[in-house]
Amino acid sequence: NAGVTQTPKFQVLKTGQSMTLQCAQDMNHEYMSWYRQDPGMGLRLIHYSVGAGITDQGEVPNGYNVSRSTTEDFPLRLLSAAPSQTSVYFCASSGQGANQPQHFGDGTRLSIL
Amino acid sequence: AQSVTQLDSQVPVFEEAPVELRCNYSSSVSVYLFWYVQYPNQGLQLLLKYLSGSTLVESINGFEAEFNKSQTSFHLRKPSVHISDTAEYFCAVSGYTGRRALTFGSGTRLQVQP
Repeated sequence: NAGVTQTPKFQVLKTGQSMTLQCAQDMNHEYMSWYRQDPGMGLRLIHYSVGAGITDQGEVPNGYNVSRSTTEDFPLRLLSAAPSQTSVYFCASSGQGANQPQHFGDGTRLSIL
Repeated sequence: AQSVTQLDSQVPVFEEAPVELRCNYSSSVSVYLFWYVQYPNQGLQLLLKYLSGSTLVESINGFEAEFNKSQTSFHLRKPSVHISDTAEYFCAVSGYTGRRALTFGSGTRLQVQP
């Protein structure tokens, strides 16, 4: 049972480049989300989705795009990378209801030079 | 709106000593409460959760947390820690209704020394 799979695990970009962080889950979860983790700040929500075709913004959405064409996949796109986007990115999924625990991927460590 | 405060950024403790990691929250709605653990270079794993019922919840590896509604706290405790408990611990809340996203505290790094 793979759970939540994120690729790549590491990436280095130059300022202005674009890229897509991939996230896939095999648990048939409706809810998926992207967080970024920065030292001393915990995890902050970037975007989330409550089902295929439905996405919404979180706390820190600027500079990021998402789409949800299937239940399984929820890619995060950096449109024009900036050094402030250097972070560790986590994808998570959960079943219906706010009482359902979220399952996290192992993260993507992204450095923007 | 919700917020979570973890009062200690780092907690050093000797092996077999007790430990308490503090968590306070604020919310205008009823919440579910969670503790997650993150080992180095890994994602977050659920440690325990409070949904309803008994205010004391336990994990399989000896941690426990108590929900205190009047003090809006959800402190994590373990009576005797092991080296393997060294990790970062995050307290999180989600509201009963609306967006299902978690609001996280800033984390507490537990460092267990021999």
